[in-house]
Amino acid sequence: GAGVSQSPSNKVTEKGKDVELRCDPISGHTALYWYRQSLGQGLEFLIYFQGNSAPDKSGLPSDRFSAERTGGSVSTLTIQRTQQEDSAVYLCASSLEEVRGSYEQYFGPGTRLTVT
Amino acid sequence: GQNIDQPTEMTATEGAIVQINCTYQTSGFNGLFWYQQHAGEAPTFLSYNVLDGLEEKGRFSSFLSRSKGYSYLLLKELQMKDSASYLCAVIGGGGYNKLIFGAGTRLAVHP
Repeated sequence: GAGVSQSPSNKVTEKGKDVELRCDPISGHTALYWYRQSLGQGLEFLIYFQGNSAPDKSGLPSDRFSAERTGGSVSTLTIQRTQQEDSAVYLCASSLEEVRGSYEQYFGPGTRLTVT
Repeated sequence: GQNIDQPTEMTATEGAIVQINCTYQTSGFNGLFWYQQHAGEAPTFLSYNVLDGLEEKGRFSSFLSRSKGYSYLLLKELQMKDSASYLCAVIGGGGYNKLIFGAGTRLAVHP
């Protein structure tokens, strides 16, 4: 079946511009996560959605970052007034909250964001 | 604080066995994952441990000791395609939702 998809796959933007990154989770997955992976770094948790609500936004690095999820499906991560330090790969993952007693998260291919 | 440590890089020979270690200190523990990530691709699930002991799945095995805050991933009969980064991740902090990742171990398999 279809996996997690993300768009765009690559985005180059000028410093100060706003960007929107999109994630389509696996159909039926109630949980959705956003992570950021900077060059040579581990994945950094940004935000978690259960359905349309976001019980954990603790990883958002600043108030320039926001995310929403509508219809319990598609999610959009918005970065306002982008800075060069925002350059990274943004990964989305989804999961059935409990699968075989585990919490396996399925990752999308990511969006590579470059801020010039 | 939350801390997950794993070696930055490892090399191994095709056909050999390699063990990648991971130690963690988190304010809660609800399981440990290993993911494989090839360059430029998304992480893919390898294993999940929540109880102490060894979980075997084909050429890959994962071990957990909760009392020691320690896990390892064992890869047997290495193949060139196993060259990738291996990510250790813990569900900690009292939540069932947030994976805390280590920086990953880049494994290079040589002929």
